[in-house]
Amino acid sequence: GAVVSQHPSRVICKSGTSVKIECRSLDFQATTMFWYRQFPKKSLMLMATSNEGSKATYEQGVEKDKFLINHASLTLSTLTVTSAHPEDSSFYICSAGDSNYGYTFGSGTRLTVV
Amino acid sequence: AQTVTQSQPEMSVQEAETVTLSCTYDTSENNYYLFWYKQPPSRQMILVIRQEAYKQQNATENRFSVNFQKAAKSFSLKISDSQLGDTAMYFCAFMKTRNQFYFGTGTSLTVIP
Repeated sequence: GAVVSQHPSRVICKSGTSVKIECRSLDFQATTMFWYRQFPKKSLMLMATSNEGSKATYEQGVEKDKFLINHASLTLSTLTVTSAHPEDSSFYICSAGDSNYGYTFGSGTRLTVV
Repeated sequence: AQTVTQSQPEMSVQEAETVTLSCTYDTSENNYYLFWYKQPPSRQMILVIRQEAYKQQNATENRFSVNFQKAAKSFSLKISDSQLGDTAMYFCAFMKTRNQFYFGTGTSLTVIP
């Protein structure tokens, strides 16, 4: 089945620095990947749709300059949280797939900004 | 915007019993997909079952089955013979043709031994 790898699983960074999260489709090509944010005991909130070779599509209210998305290849999308602040601390999850293949989620990244 | 509503924040069931989790959604689309995902404490999202809106037959996957009522925009999940490993958060999700998921608020299910 489809496998999506997300790295790192946990990261702690200092306020004001940037952190990059990678999402890889290991056994299939993904022209589209999705990034979600999940607060404790809450649902997943779609942040943006990552499109290979073009600009990401951001959901309303998500700052595109804060959350930079790059989808440079058919197997890799990255989310960079720029100038991170404590309020950016959260659980970030990516997913990839399609309606025929099925959708698979990465294992998530717990970001803590101190 | 698409909305997905799960009206049961928490539920519990005795081991080996049956439990039904509710989900309703709102959309003007005619073609879409519905999913139930399980998120155990590891926080890995695991696909439980999916349903295509154009199919009238309810999807089943071993102990998991759905009751899909398109006109009522209802998509409930039935878990039969509940097992301890079924303890998790369960999210109902809606996906339209742009392949974007919209999740419900989740139901925390506890299976009691």
